[in-house]
Amino acid sequence: KAGVTQTPRYLIKTRGQQVTLSCSPISGHRSVSWYQQTPGQGLQFLFEYFSETQRNKGNFPGRFSGRQFSNSRSEMNVSTLELGDSALYLCASRIAPGTENTEAFFGQGTRLTVV
Amino acid sequence: GDSVTQMEGPVTLSEEAFLTINCTYTATGYPSLFWYVQYPGEGLQLLLKATKADDKGSNKGFEATYRKETTSFHLEKGSVQVSDSAVYFCALGNTGGFKTIFGAGTRLFVKA
Repeated sequence: KAGVTQTPRYLIKTRGQQVTLSCSPISGHRSVSWYQQTPGQGLQFLFEYFSETQRNKGNFPGRFSGRQFSNSRSEMNVSTLELGDSALYLCASRIAPGTENTEAFFGQGTRLTVV
Repeated sequence: GDSVTQMEGPVTLSEEAFLTINCTYTATGYPSLFWYVQYPGEGLQLLLKATKADDKGSNKGFEATYRKETTSFHLEKGSVQVSDSAVYFCALGNTGGFKTIFGAGTRLFVKA
């Protein structure tokens, strides 16, 4: 079956702009989590969505937001981009929350560069 | 709260050398433990996992044993290959915690 799909793969934006990233989870998976990966900070949890509701949020400013649609697809948005937002953004899906003792399936990520 | 600490990299080895990447954790309850691998330009993929104390996860020649007494889950491989060059992440998942906790990652370079 198809894996987790993230679009676009690469993105270049200018400071102050906003950006929207998309994630389609594995079919049947209803929980979607987002992570930011940077060389200096490693892998940091942004938020998790299930049933169109945010269930958990990491320690990021309000410029970072997300949503989930009824088909479990998720988007994350970053407004007023800063140079420090340049990172690889990874999406992971699970069947449902409460299954963190099982594997998360990751997409290939979206590489965002802010100039 | 829950946390994972893994050895800093990069780790540079010659082909066929023995690999150990240390990982220790702090957690409440009985978490599952994972090793994920990230190859250049890719997302993370599960390498192996263990769901309870004394379990040994293994895959592609890699092994790790869930040691509750030392709160550790060290990754080992007897003979590394150039193709093993990647970043390795130790992680724990605790039901009810609603998120997986990742270590900082350890970059491995294997020279021919």
